[in-house]
Amino acid sequence: GESVGLHLPTLSVQEGDNSIINCAYSNSASDYFIWYKQESGKGPQFIIDIRSNMDKRQGQRVTVLLNKTVKHLSLQIAATQPGDSAVYFCAELNNAGNMLTFGGGTRLMVKP
Amino acid sequence: SQTIHQWPATLVQPVGSPLSLECTVEGTSNPNLYWYRQAAGRGLQLLFYSVGIGQISSEVPQNLSASRPQDRQFILSSKKLLLSDSGFYLCAWSPKGLAGGVEFFGPGTRLTVL
Repeated sequence: GESVGLHLPTLSVQEGDNSIINCAYSNSASDYFIWYKQESGKGPQFIIDIRSNMDKRQGQRVTVLLNKTVKHLSLQIAATQPGDSAVYFCAELNNAGNMLTFGGGTRLMVKP
Repeated sequence: SQTIHQWPATLVQPVGSPLSLECTVEGTSNPNLYWYRQAAGRGLQLLFYSVGIGQISSEVPQNLSASRPQDRQFILSSKKLLLSDSGFYLCAWSPKGLAGGVEFFGPGTRLTVL
């Protein structure tokens, strides 16, 4: 991705607060988006996904919002816990449906 | 259920030495396979992807190569490592067709070139 060479931005939140991680995507024709969580030293793990025919999808303590007008995706984590500390990546599926383009990532740090 | 394995988990190699990292997937057939590299504290860089045996697409020109000798085996190689090859190498797979989209990542290999 284009942000591969940049250091990760960091979001620091207090335990128990809500977290909002934002992502801008580039392809207005993308119809599938994913959020991944990557803990230190591990591979990214799927958290939640959303298709372009929706603007909101909820999981357990997580909500993804999609604003197609401004090509913006956000991940909301309710009642953030220390175990939520990780790097979070958004990804959009290409038109051929066989490859993801990843955002640069955001590091979430949860303060006890 | 599907699982993805990578080995070795960590590797320290001298500059100029060869490299071979292996990735295997279990519990699925005919997956798309991907190699990514991640520098410390940075994002994911797609290196190679494969839609089938012997079919490799390179995303970034470099001294690395990939091969897919079997349906569920993906190998990343180099003849001569550079210092800049250090990083965290991740293999991923995704199903094809309507189930496609999500990529499932392996545990990664941390490579240090000295």
